[in-house]
Amino acid sequence: EAGVTQFPSHSVIEKGQTVTLRCDPISGHDNLYWYRRVMGKEIKFLLHFVKESKQDESGMPNNRFLAERTGGTYSTLKVQPAELEDSGVYFCASSQTVQGAQYFGPGTRLLVL
Amino acid sequence: EDQVTQSPEALRLQEGESSSLNCSYTVSGLRGLFWYRQDPGKGPEFLFTLYSAGEEKEKERLKATLTKKESFLHITAPKPEDSATYLCAVQLGSGTGKLIFGQGTTLQVKP
Repeated sequence: EAGVTQFPSHSVIEKGQTVTLRCDPISGHDNLYWYRRVMGKEIKFLLHFVKESKQDESGMPNNRFLAERTGGTYSTLKVQPAELEDSGVYFCASSQTVQGAQYFGPGTRLLVL
Repeated sequence: EDQVTQSPEALRLQEGESSSLNCSYTVSGLRGLFWYRQDPGKGPEFLFTLYSAGEEKEKERLKATLTKKESFLHITAPKPEDSATYLCAVQLGSGTGKLIFGQGTTLQVKP
């Protein structure tokens, strides 16, 4: 069974540009999560999808971040316009049930210059 | 405020030297406590979930336990391949699947 995949693995962009991250969850997992880790800090929750609906977006830092999950399969996280403080590692995870194990992807390393 | 604290931040062991990592939490209502292992440049790898005080789970040289205020990850006779960062995360009983992570403990096992 394929695990959670994320694309791209790395992205380097200039401040003010737009970046779109993609996550493909484990097949059959209705729950999809986005997290991020900024330098020196712990991993922090961004949002939680159940199928195509946003269950909890309390961790989204501001309206420059837009997450979508059309059709309840893969998800995208767009940052527009990117700021320096958006640099970090963005992880996606998926789970079969809300209380079940969350399986993480390898992450996308974003650097905003 | 819901909080997760892991200690120590870093731990160096000799191969075969058993030890424990601590994860203490103050949360409004615990649904589950998760342990992950993370290798450099990779995503967290799921190890265990514990749901109630007194519960224990084992996998190879690792054993996780849970009380009402903390969890321990016991490592018995570690090997160099156990070197990694171990992350603890809690999930609240509020309906969301959100995990609140601690800072992690970086374990180095020397041969």
